[in-house]
Amino acid sequence: ILNVEQSPQSLHVQEGDSTNFTCSFPSSNFYALHWYRWETAKSPEALFVMTLNGDEKKKGRISATLNTKEGYSYLYIKGSQPEDSATYLCASDNTDKLIFGTGTRLQVFP
Amino acid sequence: DGGITQSPKYLFRKEGQNVTLSCEQNLNHDAMYWYRQDPGQGLRLIYYSQIVNDFQKGDIAEGYSVSREKKESFPLTVTSAQKNPTAFYLCATWGRSTDTQYFGPGTRLTVL
Repeated sequence: ILNVEQSPQSLHVQEGDSTNFTCSFPSSNFYALHWYRWETAKSPEALFVMTLNGDEKKKGRISATLNTKEGYSYLYIKGSQPEDSATYLCASDNTDKLIFGTGTRLQVFP
Repeated sequence: DGGITQSPKYLFRKEGQNVTLSCEQNLNHDAMYWYRQDPGQGLRLIYYSQIVNDFQKGDIAEGYSVSREKKESFPLTVTSAQKNPTAFYLCATWGRSTDTQYFGPGTRLTVL
């Protein structure tokens, strides 16, 4: 993998559903993997920075895992709420700049 | 109120004109970045600056120029040489203590 890829591109879920999406990144020269949440009309905000293989981070109902050997990270949202609606960006960090994926756009319907 | 400001939010220019987008921060961060977003694409790095009076080209620097005369300010000039300037432009800084980026609200530039 040469670029950072995210899937799916978009996702529509019902309130209360749990969901997850994927970020694939180059596993060579890995330094860190970043997740950001970007709500409409706001600035992207950092969710997690992950560096270690097998790392798992959690913030409320949102958690993320990291596999640096195979080059992927999963973001999970448990019991989605309408306020979780946003675009979720991941970015691979090669020490002096970030390479962003295209994002997963999540919409949670009440 | 600490943060990053970008002005204006919306900017319209005629083709062939240079335009400068402002980015100001009061976070006391050394590193600053400019990204461009187009529909269906990820954020792409235009220029970045690790310290005052120094900057490097990103992945899509052609047709753009920057300056970094002050720590707080990193203006981006979109020149007439940029073939497709209409886009959403995001400025960001790097927080060393959090090891993550902080973003401004963005400027949407439309070239008519």
